[in-house]
Amino acid sequence: DVVMTQSPLSLPVTLGQPASISCRSSQSLVHSDGSTYLSWFHQRPGQSPRRLIYRVSNRDSGVPDRFSGSGSGTDFTLKISRVEAEDVGVYYCMQATHWPPWTFGQGTKVEIK
Amino acid sequence: QVQLVESGGGVVQPGRSLRLSCSTSGFTFRSHAMHWVRQAPGTGLEWVACISYDAAYEHYADSVRGRFTISRDFSKNTLYLQMDSVRPEDTAIYYCARDFYDGINSGPDYWGQGTLVTVSS
Repeated sequence: DVVMTQSPLSLPVTLGQPASISCRSSQSLVHSDGSTYLSWFHQRPGQSPRRLIYRVSNRDSGVPDRFSGSGSGTDFTLKISRVEAEDVGVYYCMQATHWPPWTFGQGTKVEIK
Repeated sequence: QVQLVESGGGVVQPGRSLRLSCSTSGFTFRSHAMHWVRQAPGTGLEWVACISYDAAYEHYADSVRGRFTISRDFSKNTLYLQMDSVRPEDTAIYYCARDFYDGINSGPDYWGQGTLVTVSS
């Protein structure tokens, strides 16, 4: 199974400042079709997860453009250009290249300083 | 809009059974694979099971294989998870999620609000 490792696990941020979360996979996420199936999710306290990014860098509908995804192979990053109060919660990366199983990172908790 | 509504959670004794349901609307149910994902209290997300769009294939996490069964009813646009021989470690919020087909089954995109299952004597 592909192991997804996120860092940091806790990220205190200042409103208006940038934030960055790393996600590494135990093997390359490049599929035989040439695409890389890496998604990012955001889970606010008490809510279900919401997908933000799919295929490394594609934002879902309604996701603010302050969120961006990048990376390749085994190393990926989610960046928030300017953190807003509504961005608190836990962020998860997930791989869908080598399934089953679909595997998630441990989660990164973002909180306001 | 896509809606997924889980039900059937509750308190169940170890070794007993429980069936979760997920009622769907707002999309063509028969065109999407579907997933169950769970989240134990205070922990992260764990994929549990997936069923193909046509119910021809099922996949399970090692932790539930042989005990849980995923199924779907096309006439009711409903997804199910039959949980047998439950264990305390199955205690979690269970989310139903639609699969995003992006050339392959790319994993969940839309999620339900979840239903809590507590396994305790």
